[in-house]
Amino acid sequence: GESVGLHLPTLSVQEGDNSIINCAYSNSASDYFIWYKQESGKGPQFIIDIRSNMDKRQGQRVTVLLNKTVKHLSLQIAATQPGDSAVYFCAEKKRLSYGGSQGNLIFGKGTKLSVKP
Amino acid sequence: DAGVIQSPRHEVTEMGQEVTLRCKPISGHDYLFWYRQTMMRGLELLIYFNNNVPIDDSGMPEDRFSAKMPNASFSTLKIQPSEPRDSAVYFCASSFPPGAGLSYGYTFGSGTRLTVV
Repeated sequence: GESVGLHLPTLSVQEGDNSIINCAYSNSASDYFIWYKQESGKGPQFIIDIRSNMDKRQGQRVTVLLNKTVKHLSLQIAATQPGDSAVYFCAEKKRLSYGGSQGNLIFGKGTKLSVKP
Repeated sequence: DAGVIQSPRHEVTEMGQEVTLRCKPISGHDYLFWYRQTMMRGLELLIYFNNNVPIDDSGMPEDRFSAKMPNASFSTLKIQPSEPRDSAVYFCASSFPPGAGLSYGYTFGSGTRLTVV
């Protein structure tokens, strides 16, 4: 799917360097956050998630940092590879007022990561 | 598991015609979501189901759009009559319920690219 908009923020990095993609989320009541990767012609793919009671979570080559004070989320990709080239979306889920945790995910606009060989 | 399966992958139709998009969620996932993605608006939630019951359809653009989930393994999104502004990529996603001890991340299908001429 053509998820890349004409005005998507773009991050260009050299292969082997580390990448940091940032996201400002909107709702202080959000209790769960996810990073998705979307390659051209494909649906968004889950990368890593983090709950609001955590500040950091690590996966394979990826780390998500959460700063609730400033409502900021970041995705760090170590040793970026050409296969990492894609659009990256952050998504937040708001805890519902009645105490349940079900709610839909709100997606950000996305950041295009371009890896130069 | 084959993942979330959507059909067709591409659909080209004339304005005024009825369009039906299909989705088979991952077995065991209790939640099913329909999203629309455009360059201008990004990913927008149209409707989601829990245990085959529509929970929130506030994202459905207008009465021309309808969605059904007759059983746990099948959902449809119908547009009648279709208009050129409906052209977009439509994604279906499914997930486990929260609190199931599993990631809440959605699994997306590959999408249906709809073009209304």
